[in-house]
Amino acid sequence: QKEVEQNSGPLSVPEGAIASLNCTYSDRVSQSFFWYRQYSGKSPELIMSIYSNGDKEDGRFTAQLNKASQYVSLLIRDSQPSDSATYLCAVRSSGSARQLTFGSGTQLTVLP
Amino acid sequence: NAGVTQTPKFQVLKTGQSMTLQCAQDMNHNSMYWYRQDPGMGLRLIYYSASEGTTDKGEVPNGYNVSRLNKREFSLRLESAAPSQTSVYFCALHGGRAQDTQYFGPGTRLTVL
Repeated sequence: QKEVEQNSGPLSVPEGAIASLNCTYSDRVSQSFFWYRQYSGKSPELIMSIYSNGDKEDGRFTAQLNKASQYVSLLIRDSQPSDSATYLCAVRSSGSARQLTFGSGTQLTVLP
Repeated sequence: NAGVTQTPKFQVLKTGQSMTLQCAQDMNHNSMYWYRQDPGMGLRLIYYSASEGTTDKGEVPNGYNVSRLNKREFSLRLESAAPSQTSVYFCALHGGRAQDTQYFGPGTRLTVL
């Protein structure tokens, strides 16, 4: 059973702070890693993808991947109240016909 | 949710009733997926279809059937609904080689009494 684990939270940070979201995965041959954002009552939307060890930055978002530790994280700089949502980590393993395994999500609240 | 539509948006069923959830895309992509999302459980794959005419079981297929008669549509059927199938159901499609991600439809909120 391939597993993706996230701290369910809730995680609260003040506006302007850095929010740090973490995810671990069990399948060592996992190839692709994704972060989705889901607002309450809405569908998930992709915000970051990462495939290689290290950091990937996109605006206020930075994804970090460490395959040796089987760990992927998402940093949100200068957090805004509009960032309040549930963040889902998703992992795709090689040979899995593009299937994704999702974590249960971390609920983030940014306090004004 | 551009390109992926789901019907209905909301549905209430009684135990034992049947229904079909519809998903349609206008993005001409091959791979389509059905997920359910329950509180604290994340998204769990029910069935997927790699191409027209093919379907495969995901993590939680029991109690469901699917149909992919053409490239555009992928339907999910509950033959005899149970309260345990109360959930939010999402259809998704893979963006192809150029866009390596899954795009989700708006979801169907199903309650089984």
